[in-house]
Amino acid sequence: DIQMTQSPSTLSPSVGDRVTITCRASQSISDWLAWYQQKPGKAPKLLIYDASSLESGVPSRFSGSGSGTEFTLTISSLQPDDFATYYCHQYNYFFQTFGQGTKVEIK
Amino acid sequence: QVQLQESASGLVRPSETLSLTCTVSGGSISSFYWSWIRQPPGKGLEWIGYTHYSGSSNYNPSLKSRVTMSVDTSNNQFSLRLTSVTAADTAVYFCAKYLRGSFSPLDSWGQGTLVTVSS
Repeated sequence: DIQMTQSPSTLSPSVGDRVTITCRASQSISDWLAWYQQKPGKAPKLLIYDASSLESGVPSRFSGSGSGTEFTLTISSLQPDDFATYYCHQYNYFFQTFGQGTKVEIK
Repeated sequence: QVQLQESASGLVRPSETLSLTCTVSGGSISSFYWSWIRQPPGKGLEWIGYTHYSGSSNYNPSLKSRVTMSVDTSNNQFSLRLTSVTAADTAVYFCAKYLRGSFSPLDSWGQGTLVTVSS
């Protein structure tokens, strides 16, 4: 199984802060990684795919980078609407897996 | 824009079978791969598996012995069956669409439906 480990588990930034979330894979997944945003009671929303491609309609303050085993989601200037939980998802292998999530909560 | 809607399920008794259907609108079910994901209350996302109208399917090894997915092209629906459920199967179940083939991100999701396993 490919384990996806996100860090940190929780973040408490302020509006306007630069936020960085890391996702590490237990084996190389090339760049077959996506990031999702989930708000309470809602379905996840695709933000980034193929490690660094921005999904249509997603604000440009979101960006992704990395390849192999280490990946980063960056929010350049946190907005009030960005307080949510973020998940990474690897789709390189037949058995796909998600990270455990990073909650970005209001300070 | 493809839209997905899970059938309401609600309460399932322990040892019985959970059955869910996802209805697809705004696109042909034959054009994409489809997935089921679940989320226990207060916890993270768990990938259950994927299916395709061709019959191709792949499941989470931890659930493989109990899971079956299938596609109904005549009704533009796909389904999930999970047998011998226990309380650990209590979760919100989401259906979702892959962006391209099965090795791709999930770009459209249903709203999710809560399934509770309890006697």
